Amino acid sequence: RKEVEQDPGPFNVPEGATVAFNCTYSNSASQSFFWYRQDCRKEPKLLMSVYSSGNEDGRFTAQLNRASQYISLLIRDSKLSDSATYLCVASMDSNYQLIWGAGTKLIIKP
Amino acid sequence: NAGVTQTPKFQVLKTGQSMTLQCAQDMNHEYMSWYRQDPGMGLRLIHYSVGAGITDQGEVPNGYNVSRSTTEDFPLRLLSAAPSQTSVYFCASLAENTEAFFGQGTRLTVV
Repeated sequence: RKEVEQDPGPFNVPEGATVAFNCTYSNSASQSFFWYRQDCRKEPKLLMSVYSSGNEDGRFTAQLNRASQYISLLIRDSKLSDSATYLCVASMDSNYQLIWGAGTKLIIKP
Repeated sequence: NAGVTQTPKFQVLKTGQSMTLQCAQDMNHEYMSWYRQDPGMGLRLIHYSVGAGITDQGEVPNGYNVSRSTTEDFPLRLLSAAPSQTSVYFCASLAENTEAFFGQGTRLTVV
């Protein structure tokens, strides 16, 4: 079993719709969580950190559920430019190492 | 502020050749790492370093060497290239519990 698992997709979503991804993690000692965005043939870039209380940044909302060991990403009013692969990441505060999910591919269609 | 600079962007090697992928960061980050990314596999850690003079193996270290003589530089050496090392390679740096910054990636093909 992978330490961080994501549905690979692709998720084909019409422009303007709301889409949500989940990501599960197996190590209950994981403390910090992040969502990264990766465009085709580009490097990953931080989209947002995920806090225990949840956090929102414009159209994006991230939630953490420690009891069920998953994090989620919600994208509202999706834009064509949201098309990308979204990577879920977990880490333990005791070290720098990041555990990456394989990514969920999102395709927004006009 | 250049961030993480990774070279080359593309490389084709013949089986058995060696080469070095360069990585430099100007953010004074202690932690640097090398990943490879293959379709459907996500980012897999090859080697990492928590500071100058300190390196350690990640998940898939075989066939690769690293060194960290300075805080800024973290080169990755392929000792004897094999077709299984065809992949996209990313160098990353981060300060503790902060955002990871990536180089632009190296697309390596071994024929």
